[in-house]
Amino acid sequence: SQQGEEDPQALSIQEGENATMNCSYKTSINNLQWYRQNSGRGLVHLILIRSNEREKHSGRLRVTLDTSKKSSSLLITASRAADTASYFCATDLQGGSEKLVFGKGTKLTVNP
Amino acid sequence: DGGITQSPKYLFRKEGQNVTLSCEQNLNHDAMYWYRQDPGQGLRLIYYSQIVNDFQKGDIAEGYSVSREKKESFPLTVTSAQKNPTAFYLCASSTPRGGVWSDTQYFGPGTRLTVL
Repeated sequence: SQQGEEDPQALSIQEGENATMNCSYKTSINNLQWYRQNSGRGLVHLILIRSNEREKHSGRLRVTLDTSKKSSSLLITASRAADTASYFCATDLQGGSEKLVFGKGTKLTVNP
Repeated sequence: DGGITQSPKYLFRKEGQNVTLSCEQNLNHDAMYWYRQDPGQGLRLIYYSQIVNDFQKGDIAEGYSVSREKKESFPLTVTSAQKNPTAFYLCASSTPRGGVWSDTQYFGPGTRLTVL
């Protein structure tokens, strides 16, 4: 069953602009993760935010988590053409689930 | 180099054939996972294993089988019972942190399977 849903499904911006992607989920979680996938490749882990955290930064990435709204956002600042990829959120289920549930992703295109 | 490898990169199967996809990791991770990805879709869990000689069905296990005889290896067999096997298959591994199994997963490069 779908736990995380990303929004928008696709996003096209110019280099230098910021890109914001959102993820909504349905049940309580231990943590939420964001992954990146270049076309035809495996996923690469970007950032993990725990349920007791509200914001986390990693380089040009900023992730927020609002557990009351069951939502998260991923902000990529000063985007580059190399950021072109699909971005997925993944959530677990609170209670010690060993599984992650992935959304369908946001396809980001950064135009030079 | 530590990492997770999958082979082959591309695989073609005739209808009625079983094929096996390889996944190996040298990260000393306890858990390994197999996912299926269809075009424009997210990942769906096929099987996962937290310990040698034990594995659990995921959301779409029908038509697939796995084994976990060694910690480093988690091969996936796509059987003839899987009616629509054409997809991109991804293997991942992870290890529990602080008692939580659902920590960061490390992915292989994937195998693209096409049924002819």
